[in-house]
Amino acid sequence: GQQLNQSPQSMFIQEGEDVSMNCTSSSIFNTWLWYKQEPGEGPVLLIALYKAGELTSNGRLTAQFGITRKDSFLNISASIPSDVGIYFCAGPMRSARQLTFGSGTQLTVLP
Amino acid sequence: SQTIHQWPATLVQPVGSPLSLECTVEGTSNPNLYWYRQAAGRGLQLLFYSVGIGQISSEVPQNLSASRPQDRQFILSSKKLLLSDSGFYLCAWGTGAQEKLFFGSGTQLSVL
Repeated sequence: GQQLNQSPQSMFIQEGEDVSMNCTSSSIFNTWLWYKQEPGEGPVLLIALYKAGELTSNGRLTAQFGITRKDSFLNISASIPSDVGIYFCAGPMRSARQLTFGSGTQLTVLP
Repeated sequence: SQTIHQWPATLVQPVGSPLSLECTVEGTSNPNLYWYRQAAGRGLQLLFYSVGIGQISSEVPQNLSASRPQDRQFILSSKKLLLSDSGFYLCAWGTGAQEKLFFGSGTQLSVL
């Protein structure tokens, strides 16, 4: 089945540093989604990517849809304490009615 | 605009007791609806999804069931809870065309 490999599993960074995480798949995806989940809350959609090579920003967040359509990257610039949370990549399964989720990247920002 | 409501936010139940979690969506019609479970803050496991009233697909065999009595209402149930049913339960909605899912705020279930 389709699986997403997300890395790193966790990151501890200093406030102000840039962050980069990625997601890879053995299958081609037509859509890549990035979510953020804060403790005790549901995941919130950050960025949606629909085209190979697409680069999209949302404030300090930038995500890219890999050219091969088998990977995606999320970068956070100048991290702040409120960036803490778990970041998930996701992509639609073949049925397009379900999403496959990566295992998440736990981000901790140290003051 | 569309909103999704999920309740209760937290629930503590004894083993063997029944369960009913409810989710409703506003501002859209004929959404696809989903129940996910998340253990230990990581890994979203799809439990059920529904593409219409009375249509339920189960992804994993388990002690839980789901029902969709109305277009924008999705219910997760159990007749007798197990310790292993503890976890964070998330409801979500989406439309096949957009392929994006929008999540509720979750229910933290503790079975003791």
